[in-house]
Amino acid sequence: SAVISQKPSRDICQRGTSLTIQCQVDSQVTMMFWYRQQPGQSLTLIATANQGSEATYESGFVIDKFPISRPNLTFSTLTVSNMSPEDSSIYLCSVEADKGYGYTFGSGTRLTVV
Amino acid sequence: EDQVTQSPEALRLQEGESSSLNCSYTVSGLRGLFWYRQDPGKGPEFLFTLYSAGEEKEKERLKATLTKKESFLHITAPKPEDSATYLCAVQGASLRQGGSYIPTFGRGTSLIVHP
Repeated sequence: SAVISQKPSRDICQRGTSLTIQCQVDSQVTMMFWYRQQPGQSLTLIATANQGSEATYESGFVIDKFPISRPNLTFSTLTVSNMSPEDSSIYLCSVEADKGYGYTFGSGTRLTVV
Repeated sequence: EDQVTQSPEALRLQEGESSSLNCSYTVSGLRGLFWYRQDPGKGPEFLFTLYSAGEEKEKERLKATLTKKESFLHITAPKPEDSATYLCAVQGASLRQGGSYIPTFGRGTSLIVHP
């Protein structure tokens, strides 16, 4: 199954600034998924990123706030723009694993906005 | 819309005290139900996939079962290292825009096993 390297693992940022999160996969994958996990809440899908096309955003998430890049089949970035304290959360990237093994996740980025 | 409800939200057990975690779901055509373990500061770690009612899977002290409405994660004689949050997710048959079947996750059950 694929292995995902995600960084940074955590960051504390000032409101109004932006943070870019990177995910590197050790194999080529068609789709990469970006999730947000707020304390006590379930994983919420932000967007699906396909290589060579615009990311598909879920309801409540917009490209201006969460721009995504997918320059090749092993790499993607998620930027959290113009941050506010409400953006404090864990952000996760994910790819579909081999059949029967669900989805593989990165180790997560714990973001705190002050 | 697919929905997943996990109970209890939190569970404290003594080492060796067996118990079960529940995952109730509604889905439009089940493609798969997943169980994950998540340790603090880490991403979810895959445990099991179940595809149809009656199916069971085991791994060490964990056993997952599936009916048409719910899944159980049975923990037999738990140890402190089993302490984690356990997440359940369902993947329905609705193809989302972008061409993917996206799983819907529950909020998880936080398990603490005391020595």
